[in-house]
Amino acid sequence: GAGVSQSPSNKVTEKGKDVELRCDPISGHTALYWYRQSLGQGLEFLIYFQGNSAPDKSGLPSDRFSAERTGGSVSTLTIQRTQQEDSAVYLCASSSTSGRANEQFFGPGTRLTVL
Amino acid sequence: QQPVQSPQAVILREGEDAVINCSSSKALYSVHWYRQKHGEAPVFLMILLKGGEQKGHEKISASFNEKKQQSSLYLTASQLSYSGTYFCGTETGDDKIIFGKGTRLHILP
Repeated sequence: GAGVSQSPSNKVTEKGKDVELRCDPISGHTALYWYRQSLGQGLEFLIYFQGNSAPDKSGLPSDRFSAERTGGSVSTLTIQRTQQEDSAVYLCASSSTSGRANEQFFGPGTRLTVL
Repeated sequence: QQPVQSPQAVILREGEDAVINCSSSKALYSVHWYRQKHGEAPVFLMILLKGGEQKGHEKISASFNEKKQQSSLYLTASQLSYSGTYFCGTETGDDKIIFGKGTRLHILP
């Protein structure tokens, strides 16, 4: 079956512009995560969606970052007024139910470059 | 709270063993291990749950000391394909997984 997909695979933007990154999780997966990975760095947690519960936004680095998940499926991460330090690979992952006891399936990521 | 992994990097020769450690300052409900090869997405290795249940690959072993809030990943008789960055992720009761900074493992022939 299809895995987690993300689009675009690469995004180059100018400082100050807004960007939207899309994640299509595996069908039926209720849990969805966004992570950020800067060059040579670890996986930085950004936001977690679980079913119809309010998302855990505790990892979002500033109010320029927001995310939504429509219909319990597709998710969009929006970065407003991008800065050069936002340059990174943004990874999305989904799991079947609870994150605690289930494997996360990662998408291929979106590489964001802010000039 | 981000878990702490050690060592940060390891270089081994093929056939040698490695241990990667992960510790948390908070009580753990589960520990997750993933491996990421350069330019690729992380891939699942194992989950260890509070109470002793494990899910994962038979050829990879790990321990979970709930009292010490620590986990270790054991890679025995390493192969070239084991090279990559290993991440531990911890879950402390809120169902979200927070990953450590990773341990880079390089296997030499």
